[in-house]
Amino acid sequence: NAGVMQNPRHLVRRRGQEARLRCSPMKGHSHVYWYRQLPEEGLKFMVYLQKENIIDESGMPKERFSAEFPKEGPSILRIQQVVRGDSAAYFCASSPREDGEQYFGPGTRLTVT
Amino acid sequence: AQSVTQPDIHITVSEGASLELRCNYSYGATPYLFWYVQSPGQGLQLLLKYFSGDTLVQGIKGFEAEFKRSQSSFNLRKPSVHWSDAAEYFCAVGAPGTYKYIFGTGTRLKVLA
Repeated sequence: NAGVMQNPRHLVRRRGQEARLRCSPMKGHSHVYWYRQLPEEGLKFMVYLQKENIIDESGMPKERFSAEFPKEGPSILRIQQVVRGDSAAYFCASSPREDGEQYFGPGTRLTVT
Repeated sequence: AQSVTQPDIHITVSEGASLELRCNYSYGATPYLFWYVQSPGQGLQLLLKYFSGDTLVQGIKGFEAEFKRSQSSFNLRKPSVHWSDAAEYFCAVGAPGTYKYIFGTGTRLKVLA
């Protein structure tokens, strides 16, 4: 059973560009969570999605950030008009149920130049 | 509000020595408690978790943790550290029945040969 997959592993964007991060949950998992890890900090919850639904986006910045988890395909975290402060590692986790154990992917390291 | 404190930012131990990483939490009741390990450039791997029951929890790679309600602590221990244990360790707290994990800022472990 493959683990949580994230791609790309590393992404470099210039200020003002768009960043698109992908997450494929583990087989059988329909719950996806995105976290952000800033340098020297722990992970911070951003958003929780189920298929075709955003359940909780309380940790997501109000502007420029969006997330989706379509019926088919991976979950996408989209950051528009990136700024240097968006440079961080973005981790995706999946779970078989809402309060289940979360399994983390390897992360996408976004660098904004 | 829930919070997690890992008081030690860096810890250095010699290979073969014992290890204890501290984690203190703030929560009104008994939370779900987790320890994750993150190797450089990698995602988070779950070492062990506590939901309820026996307060001494055994995990992978020879790690264990003890939940002490009176001290609001969930310290991670290993009797004999191996060089491959060098990594960053995160303690996390979750309210039972929910999905939002609160992570500590991490403890970076260095192992001397």
